[in-house]
Amino acid sequence: KAGVTQTPRYLIKTRGQQVTLSCSPISGHRSVSWYQQTPGQGLQFLFEYFSETQRNKGNFPGRFSGRQFSNSRSEMNVSTLELGDSALYLCASSLDRGPGTGELFFGEGSRLTVL
Amino acid sequence: AQSVTQLDSQVPVFEEAPVELRCNYSSSVSVYLFWYVQYPNQGLQLLLKYLSGSTLVESINGFEAEFNKSQTSFHLRKPSVHISDTAEYFCAVAPNTGNQFYFGTGTSLTVIP
Repeated sequence: KAGVTQTPRYLIKTRGQQVTLSCSPISGHRSVSWYQQTPGQGLQFLFEYFSETQRNKGNFPGRFSGRQFSNSRSEMNVSTLELGDSALYLCASSLDRGPGTGELFFGEGSRLTVL
Repeated sequence: AQSVTQLDSQVPVFEEAPVELRCNYSSSVSVYLFWYVQYPNQGLQLLLKYLSGSTLVESINGFEAEFNKSQTSFHLRKPSVHISDTAEYFCAVAPNTGNQFYFGTGTSLTVIP
């Protein structure tokens, strides 16, 4: 069974640009979550999508947005990039079919560097 | 709301020595508890989890964690570490009615030969 796939793995952008990251969850998983990982901050929750609907949202500015498609694949977008957006962006999927099935399976991440 | 505190950001330990990585949480609802491990240049992998039942849970590579409800803790232990255990370890909680995980800031475990 294929794991969570994130593309691209590495990318470099300049301030003011925008970026789109993609995530393909494990087959059958309906929930996709996004996290930002930076040194010292750990993992900060961005948002979670379930059946194409945003179910939870973290405390990030509106420049960060996402969506989920009917095949459960998800994208996140960051507009007007700032230096502080440099981070590892992790996608995680889960089965989420009731209590105890919410275990997260993570992709290897997309490392974004903003210059 | 939930929060997770990992008190130690870095833990150096000699090979074959025991180690404990501390995790405390706060929550107004019942939660599930997890430890994830991140090896260099990799994503996070589930190490072990507590959902219900026995408060002592074990992983396949010798780690164990004990859920202590009165102290709201879920410390991770291993009696004898190996070089290959060098990694970042994250404690996480999730309410048992939802799917939003809350992670600690991580503990970097370095095993010294």
